[in-house]
Amino acid sequence: GDSVTQMEGPVTLSEEAFLTINCTYTATGYPSLFWYVQYPGEGLQLLLKATKADDKGSNKGFEATYRKETTSFHLEKGSVQVSDSAVYFCALSGMRGGYQKVTFGTGTKLQVIP
Amino acid sequence: DTGVSQDPRHKITKRGQNVTFRCDPISEHNRLYWYRQTLGQGPEFLTYFQNEAQLEKSRLLSDRFSAERPKGSFSTLEIQRTEQGDSAMYLCASSLGGGQGATEAFFGQGTRLTVV
Repeated sequence: GDSVTQMEGPVTLSEEAFLTINCTYTATGYPSLFWYVQYPGEGLQLLLKATKADDKGSNKGFEATYRKETTSFHLEKGSVQVSDSAVYFCALSGMRGGYQKVTFGTGTKLQVIP
Repeated sequence: DTGVSQDPRHKITKRGQNVTFRCDPISEHNRLYWYRQTLGQGPEFLTYFQNEAQLEKSRLLSDRFSAERPKGSFSTLEIQRTEQGDSAMYLCASSLGGGQGATEAFFGQGTRLTVV
């Protein structure tokens, strides 16, 4: 079945550091890929998405590129802020017999210190 | 429309009691999902509705769990005879689907269940 593997956290960075959170996936067909973010005490929010190979999703300074050849969708940001501290989930959305199912990774906690 | 709404936000119940959660999806969304999230884990799929039809149930959804979406709008998730292992955040999501394309799901803020 479909699966998503993320790097384990927590990841602790100083403000303005470069961020990479690795994500690889296993899926049949051509899934869409997503990064969701969960701030403390809140629900999941979509951060960015990519729907086909070589697409780059971007939002709020975060980027991720859909790499079919390496089955990866790594999240990057050039300069993190304290307000980026949250848990980040990589997810894929594949079609199963005509309907959609979203599969999540286990999440990576990011802590940004001033 | 302000997004996916879940009620209640928090529920504390005694073991053995029944609980029911409600989810109101984004109004034009035909797809609705329930997920469970435990501490330190990603959301795990429980069940999926397209309109009023429940199309898939995870093996995580034991016989004590039942979900409905009677008119293809709001949904309820009921847990009977709750156990301590049911303590988790229950997330509802909705999306707009048509054809074969996969679209992003929008999540509610969840219902945190604590079974004591």
